[in-house]
Amino acid sequence: AAGVIQSPRHLIKEKRETATLKCYPIPRHDTVYWYQQGPGQDPQFLISFYEKMQSDKGSIPDRFSAQQFSDYHSELNMSSLELGDSALYFCASSPRTPNTEAFFGQGTRLTVV
Amino acid sequence: AQKITQTQPGMFVQEKEAVTLDCTYDTSDPSYGLFWYKQPSSGEMIFLIYQGSYDQQNATEGRYSLNFQKARKSANLVISASQLGDSAMYFCAGGSSNTGKLIFGQGTTLQVKP
Repeated sequence: AAGVIQSPRHLIKEKRETATLKCYPIPRHDTVYWYQQGPGQDPQFLISFYEKMQSDKGSIPDRFSAQQFSDYHSELNMSSLELGDSALYFCASSPRTPNTEAFFGQGTRLTVV
Repeated sequence: AQKITQTQPGMFVQEKEAVTLDCTYDTSDPSYGLFWYKQPSSGEMIFLIYQGSYDQQNATEGRYSLNFQKARKSANLVISASQLGDSAMYFCAGGSSNTGKLIFGQGTTLQVKP
């Protein structure tokens, strides 16, 4: 079965650089979520999209932006990277039905040096 | 606001035995869902089981079952017949009925001993 695809799987960037993470949801899933998981931490919700519109916003820094495109894939753009942005970034997708399980991609491990 | 609490940072269990991982929740959302995810050392987040707040029966999925006690606001995960491959971090999460975002607990590291 098709799963959530994230790219790249690993990314190394220097401080103050920019990074773009991509997420391709499961077909027919119209909701996409982004989470950030720091080392030894639980995942923290960043932002979500439903039908290409932002549906909820969590603790996402102003340096980050995201969008969902017409084909439902989503991109998380991160600028002026800081060492503290080093984390595992997950994308998850689900159908819109409330309280339906979200399926996670394998994550993008971002390292800022 | 929703809060998920996992009070067991680490647990050990003997292979083939059952183990219970604790999770309590606090929410003002009248309709909510509770989820368990497994995160092995490779990092991926694997969905295990889901319990809806209006579900009358406890959820079960193979060796996983969810002991849902609404009055106690607990949603403990029971893993029966533990296997070495069950060694991982386990997260309990609560879902918002409005947007579906998940709030995670702190996680419990489970180690299965041979």
